[in-house]
Amino acid sequence: DAKTTQPPSMDCAEGRAANLPCNHSTISGNEYVYWYRQIHSQGPQYIIHGLKNNETNEMASLIITEDRKSSTLILPHATLRDTAVYYCIVRVGGAQKLVFGQGTRLTINP
Amino acid sequence: DTGVSQDPRHKITKRGQNVTFRCDPISEHNRLYWYRQTLGQGPEFLTYFQNEAQLEKSRLLSDRFSAERPKGSFSTLEIQRTEQGDSAMYLCASSLDLEGGYTFGSGTRLTVV
Repeated sequence: DAKTTQPPSMDCAEGRAANLPCNHSTISGNEYVYWYRQIHSQGPQYIIHGLKNNETNEMASLIITEDRKSSTLILPHATLRDTAVYYCIVRVGGAQKLVFGQGTRLTINP
Repeated sequence: DTGVSQDPRHKITKRGQNVTFRCDPISEHNRLYWYRQTLGQGPEFLTYFQNEAQLEKSRLLSDRFSAERPKGSFSTLEIQRTEQGDSAMYLCASSLDLEGGYTFGSGTRLTVV
């Protein structure tokens, strides 16, 4: 699986959009981009995934660049409950395991 | 069925003792995973089941570790002769298909003293 690079930490004001970047410059054509988050003392929570196209669900939007070498997770109106570690993972379609990196620790400030 | 259940939530054991953890996945999910997470690190893959078959094991899963999923429903993870280095959060996850996201449980936190 391709390696991902994320900033170790970010801050965002409550109510604003949180934009979390992820670099995956060695991504292959059959690798998906997944985002999970982990709130303190809980298991990781699936957020969203995509292959080429931008994706949106009730939690977030995923923007993937045309060359697929980077992506951005957008939380449109961040709340204090969005404070968590966010993991960007690249995974081959059909592969069983997720390879987690260190993630980005996002802090939402009041 | 509200999610993946893990039991116990916390376990403190003395070095050298055996421990067993249980995971109940979402009932219609046929895929089940075990991960381990140490403080400040992301989760690390341990093993994967499809139904009752254990299809992949990480090199992290030493011979002191064994996992089973006897009827393709719940799973157990046993650690024999625990060591202090086994102290970690043990996470279970399940999924229905290969592409979709996993659902993780809240984990079992093991402390070996």
